[in-house]
Amino acid sequence: IQLTQSPSSLSASVGDRVTITCRASQGISSYLAWYQQKPGKAPKLLIYTASTLLSGVPSRFSGSGSGTDFTLTISSLQPEDFATYYCQQLSSFLITFGQGTRLDIK
Amino acid sequence: EVQLLESGGGLVQPGGSLRVSCAASGFSFSTYAMSWVRQAPGKGLEWVSSMSSGGNTYYADSVKGRFTISRDNSKNTLWLQMNSLRVEDTAVYYCAKISSSTNSLPSWGQGTLVTVSS
Repeated sequence: IQLTQSPSSLSASVGDRVTITCRASQGISSYLAWYQQKPGKAPKLLIYTASTLLSGVPSRFSGSGSGTDFTLTISSLQPEDFATYYCQQLSSFLITFGQGTRLDIK
Repeated sequence: EVQLLESGGGLVQPGGSLRVSCAASGFSFSTYAMSWVRQAPGKGLEWVSSMSSGGNTYYADSVKGRFTISRDNSKNTLWLQMNSLRVEDTAVYYCAKISSSTNSLPSWGQGTLVTVSS
């Protein structure tokens, strides 16, 4: 199963609302996760099963979708949100990541 | 608190071998599937291998036949044996715990850098 993220990069300002999309090559129900990665650090899980926020993740993050089309939305960008975001799916222990979306400060 | 600590990375020549380790603590290691994910410099995340709690193994096509994942539940340790290394295997290697209920990777180690170069 392939995951296609868009855009690959995005420039935005503090306070902006941004949306990242992830499309699966075949239906994956709601089994999609989103990660945030900052330079030199390991990825951090933000959202699992498409829309469930991990405990401690700010509520400005939200996820939606099912089947093949998914979105990650940040409602009001904060300085600490500038990072790279990845979607991920797991099927029968085979894992796929999207190619990543780099979110930069405009 | 879940902790995953990788070690064993380093510089190796093309064609060489290296084994990286992941020491786990803070959870019932034997009951979880585990995985290795790598990230080449400046690139995205790439899944390498997974191992179920029951010992079944899975590999990305790019490493199949060259890499071997294994675990010792008595030592709470996961390994990745890497043989016939290529320049393109250069990456930070992360171990990650798999949540089978949510099909996600809730916990990651800090990574260990493997550099394949002559």
